[in-house]
Amino acid sequence: EADIYQTPRYLVIGTGKKITLECSQTMGHDKMYWYQQDPGMELHLIHYSYGVNSTEKGDLSSESTVSRIRTEHFPLTLESARPSHTSQYLCASLNGQPNNEQFFGPGTRLTVL
Amino acid sequence: KNQVEQSPQSLIILEGKNCTLQCNYTVSPFSNLRWYKQDTGRGPVSLTIMTFSENTKSNGRYTATLDADTKQSSLHITASQLSDSASYICVVGDRGSTLGRLYFGRGTQLTVWP
Repeated sequence: EADIYQTPRYLVIGTGKKITLECSQTMGHDKMYWYQQDPGMELHLIHYSYGVNSTEKGDLSSESTVSRIRTEHFPLTLESARPSHTSQYLCASLNGQPNNEQFFGPGTRLTVL
Repeated sequence: KNQVEQSPQSLIILEGKNCTLQCNYTVSPFSNLRWYKQDTGRGPVSLTIMTFSENTKSNGRYTATLDADTKQSSLHITASQLSDSASYICVVGDRGSTLGRLYFGRGTQLTVWP
């Protein structure tokens, strides 16, 4: 089982609140990713990072922001949550060659009321 | 446009029976194809990974096949168990991406009944 962690696992908050979803991995992977997944739908890449001090936006536009100050830590922040942000957020990291396998965290289920 | 299509969308089988899930993709250039299992409310867990030169890969009761010419893959589950109930996601890697970009299917929701 991959050593990648996300907290909280579940979060219910009111509109307008600022939240931070935590993601950490202990495998020393440089590349990390955030995905958004709605029920029954495919994962959509919203942010990624090649390494420390590198952050890029993904395919799906998102009002969230990310930071990468340390290799093992890749938090995602929403400054002002809205009901449209309700979704599952999955963090992943890449082990590089030879398999280029992405390992996923357990996810955070966010509900904004 | 890079896409991954899976069928069926959902499937119900009885415990002990076999089943096969299908995946068609248009991702190019192709790097590898993975099958992930995702339990409800959890992150995906890798079952198999196949590169261009591999046409079959097994992991216990799971056997994946790949036809890179027709851009099709299948996942065969043998002697299903209740714990196999999950979403099975086909994921294709883009060889042209230094990011390790992946393209995800929507998954097949498998339910195993006792």
